[in-house]
Amino acid sequence: EAQVTQNPRYLITVTGKKLTVTCSQNMNHEYMSWYRQDPGLGLRQIYYSMNVEVTDKGDVPEGYKVSRKEKRNFPLILESPSPNQTSLYFCASSLGLGGPYEQYFGPGTRLTVT
Amino acid sequence: GQNIDQPTEMTATEGAIVQINCTYQTSGFNGLFWYQQHAGEAPTFLSYNVLDGLEEKGRFSSFLSRSKGYSYLLLKELQMKDSASYLCAVRDTINDYKLSFGAGTTVTVRA
Repeated sequence: EAQVTQNPRYLITVTGKKLTVTCSQNMNHEYMSWYRQDPGLGLRQIYYSMNVEVTDKGDVPEGYKVSRKEKRNFPLILESPSPNQTSLYFCASSLGLGGPYEQYFGPGTRLTVT
Repeated sequence: GQNIDQPTEMTATEGAIVQINCTYQTSGFNGLFWYQQHAGEAPTFLSYNVLDGLEEKGRFSSFLSRSKGYSYLLLKELQMKDSASYLCAVRDTINDYKLSFGAGTTVTVRA
């Protein structure tokens, strides 16, 4: 089944404790992206990647890191989480840029930082 | 960045029609998407418009006017399961084809 998976789905952590949210897709998609979703603000892009070893900042990259060492995986790293990073996070992938290529979203990771 | 506006909430009755409007400002327009998102779930793709006009897909239709920076999503014969948030998203060529999302419109369908 074609899908985007994320782990963990739920995470409660404390300020300053490094964490990684994994994202994997099995559709051989080149483009992958991370979003955070907050009430009233919609989905905001954190980082994106157009291919292996090619990543760039989105609208809200502060406090986050990513890597793309393999085509299928795109982990999101919070080196020192803070309470303002409490949010719902979605990973997404698409076949390409431009055209009718919609983004496929993972199930989401609800992160709480205390 | 983008400036994408859509109403926050709409309520309609089962069996009725609801139209969700979306206005946007962008350079290098490269398509507009509508996504559906049920509470606590991931967004799922509904429609894509890149040329002016109406795209129909079963009970859902989406319209685009590029000159007006305007789109709408039309939901016909509303069902209870259509209660969800509907996200308008615009892609532009200036920023690596980034997809920018509106805040979403929560539609509540009442019996």
